[in-house]
Amino acid sequence: AQSVTQPDIHITVSEGASLELRCNYSYGATPYLFWYVQSPGQGLQLLLKYFSGDTLVQGIKGFEAEFKRSQSSFNLRKPSVHWSDAAEYFCAVSDTGGGNKLTFGTGTQLKVEL
Amino acid sequence: AAGVIQSPRHLIKEKRETATLKCYPIPRHDTVYWYQQGPGQDPQFLISFYEKMQSDKGSIPDRFSAQQFSDYHSELNMSSLELGDSALYFCASSFPPGLNTEAFFGQGTRLTVV
Repeated sequence: AQSVTQPDIHITVSEGASLELRCNYSYGATPYLFWYVQSPGQGLQLLLKYFSGDTLVQGIKGFEAEFKRSQSSFNLRKPSVHWSDAAEYFCAVSDTGGGNKLTFGTGTQLKVEL
Repeated sequence: AAGVIQSPRHLIKEKRETATLKCYPIPRHDTVYWYQQGPGQDPQFLISFYEKMQSDKGSIPDRFSAQQFSDYHSELNMSSLELGDSALYFCASSFPPGLNTEAFFGQGTRLTVV
């Protein structure tokens, strides 16, 4: 069965600083990977997804992520964080060709200091 | 654009009562997924439906049941509620599982069992 690990439970960055959130996955075949963001009490918003092709994917709100098969990683990055980016971020993997049930990581809580 | 609609947004029930959560997928989406997110937890897959048939099952308690209707909306029925059922329940919808298919999440129903 697939699994996702987000090693960092909490991360604090200053506004304007760069950000990298780590995600490692375990999956036997080609993974389909996602990053979601959740603000307090809100739903899950898709930031970006990787299905195939270019390993560097661009998402909304200036986020990007790079799929590295050799490291089983799909880290999320943003060059300059805004205070409104403070939220919880979930990495997820689907077990077949996208759209199937998602297995989520435990999430990383991002705090942005002004 | 139309999104996934969940109702109610908030629900308070007493122990041993029953609850029904509703999910209206994005138009033309015929696949629905239910997830449960406990306080401070990552979302856990409960069950999914494709074309009104159960397509996959996760860690859904026997006290819970769900179905998808002819108009593709879905209902999650929860009986003999326990305090531990207090959580945010998400519904997501997608086109049929396959390549390059992503699921879109609703805002969730927050269930509080007292």
